[in-house]
Amino acid sequence: EVQLVESGGGLVKPGGSLRLSCAGSGFTVNDVWMNWVRQAPGKGLEWVGRIKSRTAGGTTDYTAPVRGRFTISREASKNTLYLQMDSLHTEDTAVYYCATEDRSSYEHWGQGTLVTVSS
Amino acid sequence: DIVMTQSPLSLPVISGEPASISCRSSQSLLDRHGYNYLAWYLQKPGQSPQLLIYWGSNRASGVPDRVSGSGSGSDFTLQISRVEAEDVGVYYCMQALELPITFGQGTRLEIK
Repeated sequence: EVQLVESGGGLVKPGGSLRLSCAGSGFTVNDVWMNWVRQAPGKGLEWVGRIKSRTAGGTTDYTAPVRGRFTISREASKNTLYLQMDSLHTEDTAVYYCATEDRSSYEHWGQGTLVTVSS
Repeated sequence: DIVMTQSPLSLPVISGEPASISCRSSQSLLDRHGYNYLAWYLQKPGQSPQLLIYWGSNRASGVPDRVSGSGSGSDFTLQISRVEAEDVGVYYCMQALELPITFGQGTRLEIK
């Protein structure tokens, strides 16, 4: 059974950094396309970025508001996906979900981790 | 960016009655191979989103057959033939044809 468990959220000041983790089980993180999606309090879903599978080149893509500040990576030995978030803004406050991508859709989602950027 | 527009944004439905949600995209989501890069999700209260439909009309694993997706190009519909209590939540459409991936604003379904 595929499971995704996010961690690493918390309260951080504007300009600060945070690294989110998404531990996978039941599949190999390197072998699938993985995405991060966020949801600001009371708002809709917003795509953050993705990393392609190793066989597809392992490249990353980001939405414009986070490009240059956020970095997606993987650690095969831990079967874990990461989202490194630097230079955080108050508008980055959201629940962050990781999700597997297949057939151009997101079949498996984690439970989400809350990031609050506030002074 | 491709803009996704859902309607209605709020949908009160009597239990056992049908429901329909529209999703329109600012450009066609149909690729040259005949796939519509359109998915539907349901986010139940307090939960993560769950996949309902991929490629416009394919039901995801475990989704009941009273839920269906239709449409092509830039005009899509999610239909529930008989609404049940477990269908309550916010429905989102999503396009994956081009980056950035974009979602509709969401449609909140409630039991009247």
